[in-house]
Amino acid sequence: SQQGEEDPQALSIQEGENATMNCSYKTSINNLQWYRQNSGRGLVHLILIRSNEREKHSGRLRVTLDTSKKSSSLLITASRAADTASYFCATEEDWEGAQKLVFGQGTRLTINP
Amino acid sequence: DGGITQSPKYLFRKEGQNVTLSCEQNLNHDAMYWYRQDPGQGLRLIYYSQIVNDFQKGDIAEGYSVSREKKESFPLTVTSAQKNPTAFYLCASSSTLSPLHFGNGTRLTVT
Repeated sequence: SQQGEEDPQALSIQEGENATMNCSYKTSINNLQWYRQNSGRGLVHLILIRSNEREKHSGRLRVTLDTSKKSSSLLITASRAADTASYFCATEEDWEGAQKLVFGQGTRLTINP
Repeated sequence: DGGITQSPKYLFRKEGQNVTLSCEQNLNHDAMYWYRQDPGQGLRLIYYSQIVNDFQKGDIAEGYSVSREKKESFPLTVTSAQKNPTAFYLCASSSTLSPLHFGNGTRLTVT
């Protein structure tokens, strides 16, 4: 089942600008993760935020989580051409030893030089 | 260098043929997963395995089969019963408290 819905579906900005992507989900979660996918490649984990956390930083990335609104946002500051990729949120509902992540449909981010 | 290897990168098959996609990891992870990705879409879980000789169906298991005879290997067979097999297939692995590590995928085209 697809739980996460991402907004916008596509985003094009100039290098140096900030990029914000949003993710909404439907059920209670243990954590929410963000992944990046370069064209034709596998996904790379960026950051995980637990349900009891509201904000988390990693380098130029800032993630927020609002469990009351069932939404999260990913902010990439001072964007670079190398940030061009698709970004996916993924939610985890139950921990059973294996992570049954449910992925959103992704935001395609294009950074123009 | 630890990682996940998927092979081949591109695979072409005729309709009605079964095909097996390879996934090998040297990360010593217990759990392994197969996802399917269609153009412009997110990932959908096909099968996952938490331990050797055990696996569970994901959201779209119909037309697929897997085996987990070794910790390092989790091959996926796309059978002729899968109605729309053309897709990008991603294998991943994880251990307790770690995020998923993905391979670089196999793009399967069935004509």
